[in-house]
Amino acid sequence: QVQLVQSGAEVKKPGASVKVSCKASGYTFTSYYMHWVRQAPGQGLEWMGIINPSGGSTSYAQKFQGRVTMTRDTSTSTVYMELSSLRSEDTAVYYCARDLVPVVVPAAYAFDIWGQGTMVTVSS
Amino acid sequence: EIVLTQSPGTLSLSPGERATLSCRASQSVSSSYLAWYQQKPGQAPRLLIYGASSRATGIPDRFSGSGSGTDFTLTISRLEPEDFAVYYCQQYGSSPTFGQGTKVEIK
Repeated sequence: QVQLVQSGAEVKKPGASVKVSCKASGYTFTSYYMHWVRQAPGQGLEWMGIINPSGGSTSYAQKFQGRVTMTRDTSTSTVYMELSSLRSEDTAVYYCARDLVPVVVPAAYAFDIWGQGTMVTVSS
Repeated sequence: EIVLTQSPGTLSLSPGERATLSCRASQSVSSSYLAWYQQKPGQAPRLLIYGASSRATGIPDRFSGSGSGTDFTLTISRLEPEDFAVYYCQQYGSSPTFGQGTKVEIK
């Protein structure tokens, strides 16, 4: 079945970086865009950016420009999200989420399959 | 940025009752690019509705979406015990944004 499996929880100090992975299975990895969405404790959802696993092109939400990097490894069907210069406000669950449509058409920016989430805690 | 405002914040209903959730956008959502998600505690969101009214794969037909422009509605015709959760709307016509959520709780 189609699934996205993310890496485990992380605890980081302010100013550090974190890299979260998301391994896809059950479908052709390079056929669907992938997004990252985060959710602070008790809060709503916030879109961070998108990567096209086929060519590796990315687009980031303005709020995260300069601090986030999304990459992919086609040999392992894995996408990565690295967030740098962490601060306490970055404490959140980070989700990878697959786009509704395949890469042969423009991304829909709606999300039909989600990973289980990775808790990132930023604390001194 | 399009701001989505969901109402009410909390809906207290009994199983078998009808739930009506509202999502209002600060500007028109192009081509009805509006989705609804369900999230239960400790779980990832689940896509219910996209394109304002199309049910995602495997979603029961008691869930329906409607609306256009700036006003959208998610209706659950008869609440089942597993439907008590938080529901988010999301627009994806421009840089995607989410509403703040409506919690449907057991009365």
